[in-house]
Amino acid sequence: RKEVEQDPGPFNVPEGATVAFNCTYSNSASQSFFWYRQDCRKEPKLLMSVYSSGNEDGRFTAQLNRASQYISLLIRDSKLSDSATYLCVVKILTGGGNKLTFGTGTQLKVEL
Amino acid sequence: DGGITQSPKYLFRKEGQNVTLSCEQNLNHDAMYWYRQDPGQGLRLIYYSQIVNDFQKGDIAEGYSVSREKKESFPLTVTSAQKNPTAFYLCASSIGLAGTGYQPQHFGDGTRLSIL
Repeated sequence: RKEVEQDPGPFNVPEGATVAFNCTYSNSASQSFFWYRQDCRKEPKLLMSVYSSGNEDGRFTAQLNRASQYISLLIRDSKLSDSATYLCVVKILTGGGNKLTFGTGTQLKVEL
Repeated sequence: DGGITQSPKYLFRKEGQNVTLSCEQNLNHDAMYWYRQDPGQGLRLIYYSQIVNDFQKGDIAEGYSVSREKKESFPLTVTSAQKNPTAFYLCASSIGLAGTGYQPQHFGDGTRLSIL
């Protein structure tokens, strides 16, 4: 089983739609959680951290369920510019330091 | 502006050659990382370093080597022993091993390595 699993998509949605991405992780010792956005042929960029209480940043809402080892990202009123791959990222504190494990990403295509 | 600089952006290598990818950061971050990304796959950790003069193997270190002689620099050498080196290589840095663990990683804009 992969340490971090995501549905690869693509998710093709019309502009203005609400879309939800899910991510599961296998290591119960995981400490911190993030969503990164990666545009085609570019580097990943931090979209938002995911806190236990859930958090919102504009049209984006992230939630964490530690009991189920599950993370979600909700995008409301999607824009064409939201088209990208969304990476679920889990951080574990190891003896050698912080280790991030990346999911393979979910591709989102927002269409007119 | 503070950031991470990777060079070159595109690199072509003949089989049997070693090549070194540069990564420099002026964010005063302690930790630096090298990842490899292949099409349809997530980022895989090659090596990481939490402090100067120390580094650890990641999940796919075979065929690669690194050094960390200065805080701001973490070059990656792709050796001829790496059988499938064509990939997108990403360098990242973070504040490092600390407290709450919510310090994210910041990425350079990557180097695309291709084999001739």
